[in-house]
Amino acid sequence: EDKVVQSPLSLVVHEGDTVTLNCSYEVTNFRSLLWYKQEKKAPTFLFMLTSSGIEKKSGRLSSILDKKELFSILNITATQTGDSAVYLCAVSGEYGNKLVFGAGTILRVKS
Amino acid sequence: DGGITQSPKYLFRKEGQNVTLSCEQNLNHDAMYWYRQDPGQGLRLIYYSQIVNDFQKGDIAEGYSVSREKKESFPLTVTSAQKNPTAFYLCASGAWGAQPQHFGDGTRLSIL
Repeated sequence: EDKVVQSPLSLVVHEGDTVTLNCSYEVTNFRSLLWYKQEKKAPTFLFMLTSSGIEKKSGRLSSILDKKELFSILNITATQTGDSAVYLCAVSGEYGNKLVFGAGTILRVKS
Repeated sequence: DGGITQSPKYLFRKEGQNVTLSCEQNLNHDAMYWYRQDPGQGLRLIYYSQIVNDFQKGDIAEGYSVSREKKESFPLTVTSAQKNPTAFYLCASGAWGAQPQHFGDGTRLSIL
């Protein structure tokens, strides 16, 4: 059975801190790993990773995938209160259509 | 603007009642999905559809039904057989066989 495990489940940091969120997975015929940010309503897409070792970057956020060790990390530098959200990790396997989600990491950034 | 519209935002269900959640997209996506989100459990797949008039059960389909009569629309009915329907329901769409999926703003369903 395909599985995605995120850690930590929640964390609280102060503005300006750097955080690292973790995602490990077990999936048949891995196709891609995705990160989403959810701030109460619709999850919004952040990154899609398909190849090991290639960092994806968008502003203060970056992510990398290790297909050998079956995990990904999402880094947020110089955190702001607007980064407070649930961060979801998901993987797609065989056929590339369905996503399996982790439970998410709740991030709270205090000012 | 292109996007996914879910309605209503909040819905209350009485015991023994069926309720239908609406999902419409104008992104011209072939595939549409319904997820349920409970606290601490992430998103779980209820049903998905890759083309009109075709849909497949996901991991937690019991107590739910769907239809796909138009490419743009994928309504979800929560039947009285679903004994624990209180949750946040998210609809998504995407290109079939490819990612990412894009999400609507969700419907929060509660029991009266």
